Amino acid sequence: GIQVEQSPPDLILQEGANSTLRCNFSDSVNNLQWFHQNPWGQLINLFYIPSGTKQNGRLSATTVATERYSLLYISSSQTTDSGVYFCAVGGAAGNKLTFGGGTRVLVKP
Amino acid sequence: GAVVSQHPSWVICKSGTSVKIECRSLDFQATTMFWYRQFPKQSLMLMATSNEGSKATYEQGVEKDKFLINHASLTLSTLTVTSAHPEDSSFYICSASRSSLDTQYFGPGTRLTVL
Repeated sequence: GIQVEQSPPDLILQEGANSTLRCNFSDSVNNLQWFHQNPWGQLINLFYIPSGTKQNGRLSATTVATERYSLLYISSSQTTDSGVYFCAVGGAAGNKLTFGGGTRVLVKP
Repeated sequence: GAVVSQHPSWVICKSGTSVKIECRSLDFQATTMFWYRQFPKQSLMLMATSNEGSKATYEQGVEKDKFLINHASLTLSTLTVTSAHPEDSSFYICSASRSSLDTQYFGPGTRLTVL
């Protein structure tokens, strides 16, 4: 199956800083999503982005499908951005998702 | 739109008992639902894919007789952990999608603790 690797595994930021999270995947994908898991465990859909670039407020994401990676940018980070960020990809087998290991982000005030 | 609920949000049970977890799509019809398990500080692992009206498809290594999945309607899927043991303690998360081409919408999760 598809392998998904995220880096870095942990990230500590000072409030206001910018950061980039990376997701590498091992095969062609039809689906790529970024999620934020809050401290209570709820997964929040951030982006559906199998290719191209999208922006939503202080967050943006870029997927370069031909090179098999995606980047999530967090600008002007806030303490509420803390949590775990997951990248998940889906191949040809319907919309089944394979999750990466996540990046645990802590934003300090 | 695209809200998914789970019930209960947490449950504690004794070893050997069975526990049922419900996953509901509140404002859309879900032809496909997925069940994931997440251990502390780990990623989500897909357990099974459930299509309305048909048998669930289990991932390799997941015991279908232990984790019973029913998807009897377009808005409800249930996961029953039978004869639960402490090693089954985990965070169980469901997701739902309108079709095989749609994005997945995740429920809030159910924390199971088996004593």
